[in-house]
Amino acid sequence: GAVVSQHPSRVICKSGTSVKIECRSLDFQATTMFWYRQFPKKSLMLMATSNEGSKATYEQGVEKDKFLINHASLTLSTLTVTSAHPEDSSFYICSASVGTGSKSPLHFGNGTRLTVT
Amino acid sequence: AQSVTQLGSHVSVSEGALVLLRCNYSSSVPPYLFWYVQYPNQGLQLLLKYTSAATLVKGINGFEAEFKKSETSFHLTKPSAHMSDAAEYFCAVSSSDNFNKFYFGSGTKLNVKP
Repeated sequence: GAVVSQHPSRVICKSGTSVKIECRSLDFQATTMFWYRQFPKKSLMLMATSNEGSKATYEQGVEKDKFLINHASLTLSTLTVTSAHPEDSSFYICSASVGTGSKSPLHFGNGTRLTVT
Repeated sequence: AQSVTQLGSHVSVSEGALVLLRCNYSSSVPPYLFWYVQYPNQGLQLLLKYTSAATLVKGINGFEAEFKKSETSFHLTKPSAHMSDAAEYFCAVSSSDNFNKFYFGSGTKLNVKP
């Protein structure tokens, strides 16, 4: 079946550095990808909608200069956490779909655990 | 605007007992609703979804949910809990502008006692 791969699954970085997380659709072309953030023991918060070839659409309250999203191809979207701080430590999950309608299959990645020390 | 509320952050049941996880929604348009399960340090697995067809939706692993417009609810049930059902469960509603853009509830952690 269709798979969405996230890489890395875990990353530890020092405060002040930047970290890039990749989300790949392995056997389908994803026109739209979504990025979510899950705080410890909390729900998933939608961060942004990533459309291939155009700028991402960020949810209210999400800093677009802090969380850079690039959807350069139909199979790859990247989330870069710039100048990471301990409060950015979280579980980041992407999802990918072909279209926007109810018939468009949606698949989630397995998530990336980011720890900023 | 769309949102969901999950009542009860933790639910504990005995193996073999009924599982009931509650979800209420708020939506300015007819909603599409989903239940997902998450095991520790893993992504999300779709249990079932409501897309305005039958109000009683059957999903995987014996779970089902009933859409009740009058109560704005979409509660998840399973007649008999199994130890392997222990996980976190999320209710979600689609955005009105994109079916695949979700707003999630706060999650309910299900504990199954032997």
